[in-house]
Order: sequence, then C-alpha cells, then structure tokens
Amino acid sequence: EAGVAQSPRYKIIEKRQSVAFWCNPISGHATLYWYQQILGQGPKLLIQFQNNGVVDDSQLPKDRFSAERLKGVDSTLKIQPAKLEDSAVYLCASSRDWYTQYFGPGTRLTVL
Amino acid sequence: KNEVEQSPQNLTAQEGEFITINCSYSVGISALHWLQQHPGGGIVSLFMLSSGKKKHGRLIATINIQEKHSSLHITASHPRDSAVYICAVRSETSGSRLTFGEGTQLTVNP
Repeated sequence: EAGVAQSPRYKIIEKRQSVAFWCNPISGHATLYWYQQILGQGPKLLIQFQNNGVVDDSQLPKDRFSAERLKGVDSTLKIQPAKLEDSAVYLCASSRDWYTQYFGPGTRLTVL
Repeated sequence: KNEVEQSPQNLTAQEGEFITINCSYSVGISALHWLQQHPGGGIVSLFMLSSGKKKHGRLIATINIQEKHSSLHITASHPRDSAVYICAVRSETSGSRLTFGEGTQLTVNP
C-alpha cells in the first residue's frame, strides 16, 4: 500500500510570512497526526484528527497555527505568521488503530 | 524533567559491536514504541511493547514495567543501522497520544 505522502519536502520562508503543508494519509486510516520536530528533539504532537474531527489540539499554538481535514482524508497545516522558532521538520502520520502510526517523510521548514 | 528520557544521546560503535540504547519513563503506560529515523526525516516503527521482550532479526527490545525502563539492543551492528532511535510511550491516560524521547543518534563505523 502507498505510504503517507507530504508536500513540499522543503520550504524556506522569511519570518512573518505564511506557509502551508499538505498531508495525504494511507487510504482507510481514520486517524491523522501532525507533529513538530525541532532539531535534536523528539517529535511533539501538534494536532490529532479522527476522521474530520479534532481529538487533541492541546499543544497547537492556535494564535499562529491552524489545521484542517475537511473531508476526513487529506489535511493541511498552516502557519501564519511564521517565527524563527518554527524552523523544524513537520511530520504527518496516520493510523488505522491506536497501535501503529505510519509516518510520512516530513517537511523541513526553515524560517529566516 | 521529560516524561521520557533516553540514554545515551549519541553513540558511536564499530561494525559488529553489540549496542544497547536505554529508555526510562515516569508515567504509567499502556504501550512503549521504539522507532527508527533515518536522515531526511522518515520514521519507521520497529517495536511496540507492553510487556516482556520482542525480537526481529538483529533487533531485540525489552521492557520492565515495574522499573519503568526499556532497552533496545542491536546485535552484530552494521553501518546501515546508523540512524536516530526514538523511544515513545502511550500513557494510560492519554488515549492514542504518544510522548517521544529526544532520540539516540547511533553511528556505526565500518
């Protein structure tokens, strides 16, 4: 089966600009996760969707980050406006159940 | 203090050596995962444990629930094992949310 797809793979922007990332999970996976991974750290959950509903967004900086999964399939994560500290790899993962998450290749964001 | 602590942060080994990476956690868990992350970001799930020991090829993962500790062992290490190894736990109260350690960077030299 095809894996989790993410685009773009790399993005360089200046601070205060906006950026959006896209994720297409594995077909049939109801749960979708967005993680932020800062260099040298483990991933941190930003938001979790179950179908098109939000299960957990407690660690999402809602003043600048937003995410949606309108039809319960693919998802977008947006940052507006970006700050220097947002430089990180943004990982999308999906799962059919609670046991195994399948990760995409990530989007590396550099904010200058 | 992080809920999940890994040691060492960095590990360099010679090909063929036996490698151990440790993970300690401070919360009650329903499961612990070991993940492998190669350069470029892709993460692969290696093991999910709730008790005992699992083996897959040259990889062995153990967990001691009472001591809140898990280890990942690699036997006969190879340069292709070079990657970041991440421990993640699912706490008893967090549903499906995983809390990740900071990872162990393993470099195996030929």
